[in-house]
Amino acid sequence: AQSVTQLDSHVSVSEGTPVLLRCNYSSSYSPSLFWYVQHPNKGLQLLLKYTSAATLVKGINGFEAEFKKSETSFHLTKPSAHMSDAAEYFCVVSDRGSSASKIIFGSGTRLSIRP
Amino acid sequence: DGGITQSPKYLFRKEGQNVTLSCEQNLNHDAMYWYRQDPGQGLRLIYYSQIVNDFQKGDIAEGYSVSREKKESFPLTVTSAQKNPTAFYLCASHQAGDTNYGYTFGSGTRLTVV
Repeated sequence: AQSVTQLDSHVSVSEGTPVLLRCNYSSSYSPSLFWYVQHPNKGLQLLLKYTSAATLVKGINGFEAEFKKSETSFHLTKPSAHMSDAAEYFCVVSDRGSSASKIIFGSGTRLSIRP
Repeated sequence: DGGITQSPKYLFRKEGQNVTLSCEQNLNHDAMYWYRQDPGQGLRLIYYSQIVNDFQKGDIAEGYSVSREKKESFPLTVTSAQKNPTAFYLCASHQAGDTNYGYTFGSGTRLTVV
């Protein structure tokens, strides 16, 4: 069975400081992992994905995530936060090649940026 | 540009009324999905369709209905049987059988019961 846990419901950082959004998963098979971003009243936009290639994945807007199988983690990071990064972030897991019903969304982490 | 169009952006429903949310995609994707999003929660799957004229219930299908008469269209009807319909509704699509490339999402419809 699959599951995904976003460890923080809300993260607040100062502009220019690093961002860390934590995600742990469980999966019976080889997982595909994704991070999505959602700005208020908008749809979800794909930030980055891991599908079995390099374990360090680079995405858009300076975000990256590292797949750590031993820790079952896929944390999202960014070296320096920008005001425009304020949004909701979702970690998503699916068993590779599975159907729609097997894709699981985390409950989301709201990122706030302090000036 | 290819993408998913959801309409309307905001929708108000009276008690006991059925309403239909539109979702259209020009990505030539086989699979389409409807999710419901409530504050502080992740997305919950309502219905999905992997091919024209076929669809399956997701985790919270009660009070909703869908149709898939055309590949590019997957409308969602919120019926009067749905007792708590106020939420943000998201439509998504991808190529059937391969979730490795992630989903493409529409910009959502916010439904409010008045």
